[in-house]
Amino acid sequence: QVQLVQSGAEVKKPGASVTVSCRASGNTFAGYPIHWVRQAPGQGLEWMGMINPSGGGSTFAQRLQGRVTVTSDTSTGTVYMEIRSLRFEDTAVYYCTRGLILGYDGRNNPLTAFDFWGQGTLVTVSS
Amino acid sequence: DIVMTQSPDSLAVSLGERATINCKSSQSVLYISNNKHYLAWYQQKPGQPPRLLMYWASTRESGVPDRFSGSGSGTDFTLTISSLQAEDVAVYYCQQYFSPLITFGQGTRLEIK
Repeated sequence: QVQLVQSGAEVKKPGASVTVSCRASGNTFAGYPIHWVRQAPGQGLEWMGMINPSGGGSTFAQRLQGRVTVTSDTSTGTVYMEIRSLRFEDTAVYYCTRGLILGYDGRNNPLTAFDFWGQGTLVTVSS
Repeated sequence: DIVMTQSPDSLAVSLGERATINCKSSQSVLYISNNKHYLAWYQQKPGQPPRLLMYWASTRESGVPDRFSGSGSGTDFTLTISSLQAEDVAVYYCQQYFSPLITFGQGTRLEIK
């Protein structure tokens, strides 16, 4: 049974950093990229970026590049997502999700839908 | 980035009736090499993460009821629920994976009339 278990809710001040973890069970990481998707209150889904835990390669949405880092620890099956210089508009539920690889682009980047999701982590940025 | 636009933003349908949700991409999401559309659909109920319903535009994920179907080609796609059930009340999202820079539609809220 594939399970992605995320860390608990966080409250941070503007300008601070936050790290959200995502631990996989059942050897979930083997060969699968892990993505991060966030959802602001009452809003839609926003893809943030992904990491390939086995190879370490990552890709991020342009608007978040420079503020977001995703790392993985294959020994514990855990992926970490850090956001720096938090802004009020970063208040959201953050989801980790496993990439279902359905193809590769010309640069060998995996093309994925998302088949398993974490429970979500609420990050609140408040002064 | 590929922009995904859904219509309508919200929809109210009577139980047992058909519900249709549309999704339009700003460019084709068809890979000529394998003739597949790189388009997925998700269902999200309040307080839950999204659930994958469909990929390749029309392939149901395991466990998804067959009242859900997907269709379309090129830039225009449709998710159809043939006979709406109470448990189908949710927000539905389309997503393109034609590019590794993934984008979602804004969502369509489906309610019971």
